[in-house]
Amino acid sequence: GAVVSQHPSWVICKSGTSVKIECRSLDFQATTMFWYRQFPKQSLMLMATSNEGSKATYEQGVEKDKFLINHASLTLSTLTVTSAHPEDSSFYICSARDPTGFTEAFFGQGTRLTVV
Amino acid sequence: EDKVVQSPLSLVVHEGDTVTLNCSYEVTNFRSLLWYKQEKKAPTFLFMLTSSGIEKKSGRLSSILDKKELFSILNITATQTGDSAVYLCAVLYGGSQGNLIFGKGTKLSVKP
Repeated sequence: GAVVSQHPSWVICKSGTSVKIECRSLDFQATTMFWYRQFPKQSLMLMATSNEGSKATYEQGVEKDKFLINHASLTLSTLTVTSAHPEDSSFYICSARDPTGFTEAFFGQGTRLTVV
Repeated sequence: EDKVVQSPLSLVVHEGDTVTLNCSYEVTNFRSLLWYKQEKKAPTFLFMLTSSGIEKKSGRLSSILDKKELFSILNITATQTGDSAVYLCAVLYGGSQGNLIFGKGTKLSVKP
């Protein structure tokens, strides 16, 4: 099946710094990618929809100035957590769907962010 | 409000038992229902269901959708410890590429 690669798998950063997470679709072009956040023992919560060549669409309650999304090409979307704080510590997962019609979502491996 | 509700939230069984996980939904413009298995990292795809009454099977796992009653079940027979995971149900709905909404998951623990 299709593969989505996410990097890094885990990152520890200091409060106030920024962290960039990359999401790549390896064998298909993804005009749209999705970023989720998952708290312990909770389900995936959609943060934003990343659209190639245009601005991301953020879900209600998600700060767009804090979680910067860039979808510069058909195979790469990035999520930058700016001025990170400990409460931003979480598991972030990206996904993409093959635009040719099949609606299964393929997930990246996820990134465990810890802000100290 | 669109929503996906899974039950039970957690389940503990012994190896060899059969389990049934439930997923009900309320969405506008339903397109498909998906089941995922999540162990330590990202979810892995199990099934996608679009039509009512057609069972999908993969080894000891099977799933079926009832679009009239708006629910799906995931069955696992002869459970093994490796089946321990969180099972997520997601519903794709709406136009264009659609929206994907997840249930909270069922945490399954299979004891030896």
